[in-house]
Amino acid sequence: ILNVEQSPQSLHVQEGDSTNFTCSFPSSNFYALHWYRWETAKSPEALFVMTLNGDEKKKGRISATLNTKEGYSYLYIKGSQPEDSATYLCAFRHAGGTSYGKLTFGQGTILTVHP
Amino acid sequence: NAGVTQTPKFRVLKTGQSMTLLCAQDMNHEYMYWYRQDPGMGLRLIHYSVGEGTTAKGEVPDGYNVSRLKKQNFLLGLESAAPSQTSVYFCASSYLGDSAIYEQYFGPGTRLTVT
Repeated sequence: ILNVEQSPQSLHVQEGDSTNFTCSFPSSNFYALHWYRWETAKSPEALFVMTLNGDEKKKGRISATLNTKEGYSYLYIKGSQPEDSATYLCAFRHAGGTSYGKLTFGQGTILTVHP
Repeated sequence: NAGVTQTPKFRVLKTGQSMTLLCAQDMNHEYMYWYRQDPGMGLRLIHYSVGEGTTAKGEVPDGYNVSRLKKQNFLLGLESAAPSQTSVYFCASSYLGDSAIYEQYFGPGTRLTVT
């Protein structure tokens, strides 16, 4: 069983604050790291997929970095807005030949942005 | 394009009853997955399929069966429901693109309660 850990489990911030959270994953047999955004009562939606050590991705106020050698990824949100409130999931895909795209998910970080 | 749809959205079963959850996708994706989501546990893979007529076990397959008779449909069956199967079930699909990234697209979820 692959261990994918996210921290913190939950986070409360004020509107305008910048915030970040962590995803830790096995550093061996790495293939890809996915970030998803999951709003209450909706489906998880893909934010980023990163495959190379040192990758940085950005979408609006949200960005992510990847360190495959030490097995972690950071997700940053600059100037948080109430609409950023959601659960942020990371998912690890290992490089095994028969992985068939299987992802191992972390338990998520629940972000609440207060107006 | 409806994407990934799931039927039903909600269901309440009594212990020992059986039911089938239907997942359908109209994106011509090869791979399909069933997950369950429990509080504090993230998404856990139950079963997956890499093509029509093929299925394989995921992380938590016990008590579930699946079938993929048509490429667009992936069925999850509970033969004899147990309270431990109370959960939210998500279906996802992905394709093997040029980059082999396997981005997964999720359905809206089915909330199942077993009493």
